[in-house]
Amino acid sequence: DSGVTQTPKHLITATGQRVTLRCSPRSGDLSVYWYQQSLDQGLQFLIQYYNGEERAKGNILERFSAQQFPDLHSELNLSSLELGDSALYFCASSPSADSGTGGRIQYFGAGTRLSVL
Amino acid sequence: GENVEQHPSTLSVQEGDSAVIKCTYSDSASNYFPWYKQELGKRPQLIIDIRSNVGEKKDQRIAVTLNKTAKHFSLHITETQPEDSAVYFCAASSKSNTGFQKLVFGTGTRLLVSP
Repeated sequence: DSGVTQTPKHLITATGQRVTLRCSPRSGDLSVYWYQQSLDQGLQFLIQYYNGEERAKGNILERFSAQQFPDLHSELNLSSLELGDSALYFCASSPSADSGTGGRIQYFGAGTRLSVL
Repeated sequence: GENVEQHPSTLSVQEGDSAVIKCTYSDSASNYFPWYKQELGKRPQLIIDIRSNVGEKKDQRIAVTLNKTAKHFSLHITETQPEDSAVYFCAASSKSNTGFQKLVFGTGTRLLVSP
């Protein structure tokens, strides 16, 4: 167990709908990262938050948004869902944004499997 | 932006053989290179990492080498066992346009170790 908690584990929804994925980082970790993994694909970086503020952005669609709350948990919102959005969505956390020994090690949650029908 | 290429995409070995997975990166400023193992349906787990001030790092049967000049790094697994079967991802750190580091992942190598 990495200490990173993601809910729900599975989500089935229809095209055009909106969903929210939730992530609680490891205790003490300030950074949260979101990744998308489509079937048999690699990990596509979506976005990073550090202590409540957006720090880095990857290939995140405009239909997707995220935020990190004062208690450091994060939510990824996916709207106007399309079939192609079906994927595993991982959250990872690390102690700091990008400094210090071990500060960059990212610990992954178990993921949320999203199926858009 | 940073690009990380990983080869091979699939690798089949016999138990006891060695396995080598290679990655190249494009950003000369990259200075952190982790390797993750992902078993089927599970989360990626860090197995070893290396920083740019080190050329090689070992942890039991796993080793990683880094050639900064050539911008490539490799994962070596010796005496492979069936439980090593998984998808392995390399990654390289890269500065985003906000100045903060992010990880760029390779496309993964599916390793199959046959008994």
